[in-house]
Amino acid sequence: GQQLNQSPQSMFIQEGEDVSMNCTSSSIFNTWLWYKQEPGEGPVLLIALYKAGELTSNGRLTAQFGITRKDSFLNISASIPSDVGIYFCAGQTNTGNQFYFGTGTSLTVIP
Amino acid sequence: ETGVTQSPTHLIKTRGQQVTLRCSSQSGHNTVSWYQQALGQGPQFIFQYYREEENGRGNFPPRFSGLQFPNYSSELNVNALELDDSALYLCASSSDGLGELFFGEGSRLTVL
Repeated sequence: GQQLNQSPQSMFIQEGEDVSMNCTSSSIFNTWLWYKQEPGEGPVLLIALYKAGELTSNGRLTAQFGITRKDSFLNISASIPSDVGIYFCAGQTNTGNQFYFGTGTSLTVIP
Repeated sequence: ETGVTQSPTHLIKTRGQQVTLRCSSQSGHNTVSWYQQALGQGPQFIFQYYREEENGRGNFPPRFSGLQFPNYSSELNVNALELDDSALYLCASSSDGLGELFFGEGSRLTVL
């Protein structure tokens, strides 16, 4: 199956700092989704991307669909304690209906 | 608008038993996908149901089966449970199998 490499694996940052994480694939995707998951809960959709080069924001979150269509990036500006959680990227090719998920980036925000 | 709901939230089974998990899709959505999430991993695609038929399957054995009902709700059945089946089972709904997936809270299965 497709492998999505998500980095970094974990981050420990001070409140107020900006965060960047990325996801790379060996295959071309036509859709990228970014999720946040908190303990004991299901993933919550943050941002959806459908076109190469697309840059989309949701409040303090900004995500980009890479030009090569093999990568995507998520930035969080001015982090706050409630940003704590695991962030997953997910990609979908044009030949199937499943989404492939990365292994997640665990974010800890230190007040 | 009602979100995706799953039941039960937690359950414990023993090896060899069978389990049925249930999911109600978000209102307006006609497609349900099931994912398995092992501890510390990202979700893995099990299968998708659209118009009451399986519409794509991941790398899971036939003892994982499902159903979709006319109201778009769905069931995941797992027979002959194995210890490695212990995981969070997530249901996600979407419209026509495209675009954004919206997940429920999941069913945490423990196999002893």
